[in-house]
Formats: sequence, structure tokens, C-alpha cells
Amino acid sequence: DVKVTQSSRYLVKRTGEKVFLECVQDMDHENMFWYRQDPGLGLRLIYFSYDVKMKEKGDIPEGYSVSREKKERFSLILESASTNQTSMYLCASSLEGGTYEQYFGPGTRLTVT
Amino acid sequence: RKEVEQDPGPFNVPEGATVAFNCTYSNSASQSFFWYRQDCRKEPKLLMSVYSSGNEDGRFTAQLNRASQYISLLIRDSKLSDSATYLCVVNNPQGAQKLVFGQGTRLTINP
Repeated sequence: DVKVTQSSRYLVKRTGEKVFLECVQDMDHENMFWYRQDPGLGLRLIYFSYDVKMKEKGDIPEGYSVSREKKERFSLILESASTNQTSMYLCASSLEGGTYEQYFGPGTRLTVT
Repeated sequence: RKEVEQDPGPFNVPEGATVAFNCTYSNSASQSFFWYRQDCRKEPKLLMSVYSSGNEDGRFTAQLNRASQYISLLIRDSKLSDSATYLCVVNNPQGAQKLVFGQGTRLTINP
């Protein structure tokens, strides 16, 4: 079974703090994704990576950066957290050349106060 | 116009009923279509892919109408455990492996 894990289920941070969200997958997938999910807006792609050290902006990259130093690990960084970044963050992975199916981690609910 | 549009619901139906959801997509170049299921406070999981000829998996039937650019999901003999949010998903033709998610349709099955 594919397993995608995220470092925290719940996180509370203060405005202006630097926040790291970690995601690890164990299926040797090339592609990894970070989404945020908000009521009424659905899942929106923040960034994705198709290989180590390779990244592409998604639909809402402002205020975020990412790091992929190893194939299995994809980190989302909030450089200076703001209250409008309070959200559910979901990481996903998929196999390059596969069926496009994405496997999701359990999510991190981030609250910025 | 949203790339993938769904009626957010909520749909409340009695156990045993048949329920159907539709979604529409805007990019005619999309080639891959899915229904994902998301339980409350959980991550989305693939329910089924949607093929051009339509496909069935037990009580679930998915249909694709390319001409009208819509996808449907039919659930027969609904169970309490079918209560969830159902996400319509299509691939982004411009971005390899990227998916576009609808905002989801919330379904509650009542005893």
C-alpha cells in the first residue's frame, strides 16, 4: 500500500513565524504535490515537484516555497505565516507515467493566530 | 468559469435510495477523469476512474459524456457508510500529472 505521511496533524503558529510542513512517501513516486483545502474553494494546488530539486508553481504559490532534496520528501515552507494561511494542507504523490492517480497524506490543519 | 464544477449539495437521501451527482469540466482537452471520496476530516481517496465507455464498480457507476463535458456518478442501494464528500477530478492537459479538483458534493445517507 502507498503510504504518504505528514509531519503533524494539527499545528498552531503565530503570525510572522516560519513554518515547515513535511511530507514523506514510501512508493518511490516521482511527483509530489502540496494543496490547501478551504471550505467552498476545494483543493487548490500550491506547488508540485516532478523530480528531486525540481519544482513548479501551482495556482496559489504566493507566500509559500518548497524544497525537495530527496525523492521521498517534499517540504512546504511558509516564510512568514499570516492568518489567511490558516487552512488544511494536503500532500500527495503520484507515479510518473502512471494513471494520474494521486495518493494523499492525512493532512495538516494549520492555524495561524 | 471554474475548471470543474459540482453542485456542493448537501444531498440528504434515505438509506437504500439511488443518488446521482454530475459535474462539468471546462477543458475539452482533458483525458483522464476520476471520482474521489473524502470522509469528514480525512484525506481524499480514489473511488474510481471514469472511462469513456462508462464503468461500474459494485453499487457505483460512472459515466463520461465528452460532447457535453460532464461526468456522472450513480450510487445504487445507498448505505450509511456512503456518507462523504465526492470530488470530481480531471487531469490538467497543460500540466503533466496535475489534477484539477471540483469543490465536492456532500452526501449524507439517513437511516
